[in-house]
Amino acid sequence: AQSVTQLDSHVSVSEGTPVLLRCNYSSSYSPSLFWYVQHPNKGLQLLLKYTSAATLVKGINGFEAEFKKSETSFHLTKPSAHMSDAAEYFCVVSEGGYNKLIFGAGTRLAVHP
Amino acid sequence: DVKVTQSSRYLVKRTGEKVFLECVQDMDHENMFWYRQDPGLGLRLIYFSYDVKMKEKGDIPEGYSVSREKKERFSLILESASTNQTSMYLCASSHRQEGRTQYFGPGTRLLVL
Repeated sequence: AQSVTQLDSHVSVSEGTPVLLRCNYSSSYSPSLFWYVQHPNKGLQLLLKYTSAATLVKGINGFEAEFKKSETSFHLTKPSAHMSDAAEYFCVVSEGGYNKLIFGAGTRLAVHP
Repeated sequence: DVKVTQSSRYLVKRTGEKVFLECVQDMDHENMFWYRQDPGLGLRLIYFSYDVKMKEKGDIPEGYSVSREKKERFSLILESASTNQTSMYLCASSHRQEGRTQYFGPGTRLLVL
């Protein structure tokens, strides 16, 4: 069975410093992987997705993620945090038929001035 | 533009009431999903549907049922609401093909008293 582990429940950074949100997955075959973001009182928005093309995936708002099969990781990074990046981030793996998604528990990102 | 709408943003119900949550998508998607979101648990799949009148149980279907009479509409039903069903409910839709993006509605925050 597929699963997703987000290694940090909370991450706090200063504005202008790099962001790293860590995600490990388990999958019996080549997965599709996603990062979604949820701002307070808003629905989920797709940041980026990996579907077996380039291993370095660029998303919206300057975020990117690298698929590392040997480490079963899909960490999300951004070179310079902005106050508007404060939100909850979910790492997600797509499982089998019908496009079912398995969500990690989420990482809450706080950005301080 | 992609659009998934949910009938209510906030709902307050009493224990034992029958509750209907409605979701409509305008993207002609085959797949539709209902999740609940609880702090520290991420999103958990309740039910999904891959076609009109078709439904499949997700990971936590107990206490819920669903209805899909039209392609664009997917309803979640709480037959007899209980306090442990107080949660945020999110609807999503996607094309049938595996790995395709799921698009989420804004969510319904349900409080059962």
